Amino acid sequence: DIQMTQSPSSLSASVGDRVTITCRASQSISSFLNWYQQKPGKAPKLLIYAASTLQSGVPSRFSGSGSGTDFTLTISSLQPEDFATYYCQQSYSTPFTFGPGTKVDVK
Amino acid sequence: QVQLVESGGGVVQSGRSLRLSCAASGFTFSSYALHWVRQAPGKGLEWVAVISSDGSNKYYADSVKGRFTISRDNSKNTLYLQMNSLKADDTSVYYCARDPSSTWFAWFDPWGQGTLVTVSS
Repeated sequence: DIQMTQSPSSLSASVGDRVTITCRASQSISSFLNWYQQKPGKAPKLLIYAASTLQSGVPSRFSGSGSGTDFTLTISSLQPEDFATYYCQQSYSTPFTFGPGTKVDVK
Repeated sequence: QVQLVESGGGVVQSGRSLRLSCAASGFTFSSYALHWVRQAPGKGLEWVAVISSDGSNKYYADSVKGRFTISRDNSKNTLYLQMNSLKADDTSVYYCARDPSSTWFAWFDPWGQGTLVTVSS
């Protein structure tokens, strides 16, 4: 199975900050990497698929990059509604594993 | 609008069975693969199973293989998860989610609201 790690596990930030979350795969997954946002008590929401493609309706302050084993989710200017937990997920092979999550909270 | 609504969760004793349903609307159900993903209380996300649009291909996480069965009824626009020999570790919110493909590209959008399964010992 492909193992996914994320760093940091949590971070504190202020509105307007630039936030970067890193995701690493245990083997090369090309660009088969997706990012989700989850708020407490809610279902996850797809933000980015195929490493860098913004899902329709997702604000352009979200961006993704990377390929192979190392990937990044960037929020260019954090907004109040962006405080949430973020998960990466590989879609290269079954089982389609998720990272452990990164919680972004208020500084 | 595209909508997925799960049902069938509840409290069940260890070793017993439960069947979850996911009712779909707002899209051509028979054209998309579908997944189940679960989340234990306070924990991260775990992919559980996928089924292709015509039901001919299915894959499972090792943690549920041999105990859980994913199926679908395209005439009823409904996805199912039959869960047998339930264990305490299966306690989770179970989400159904749509794949963008008839087989799978394996990103998930949209998701249902989830249904909670609690396995008691």
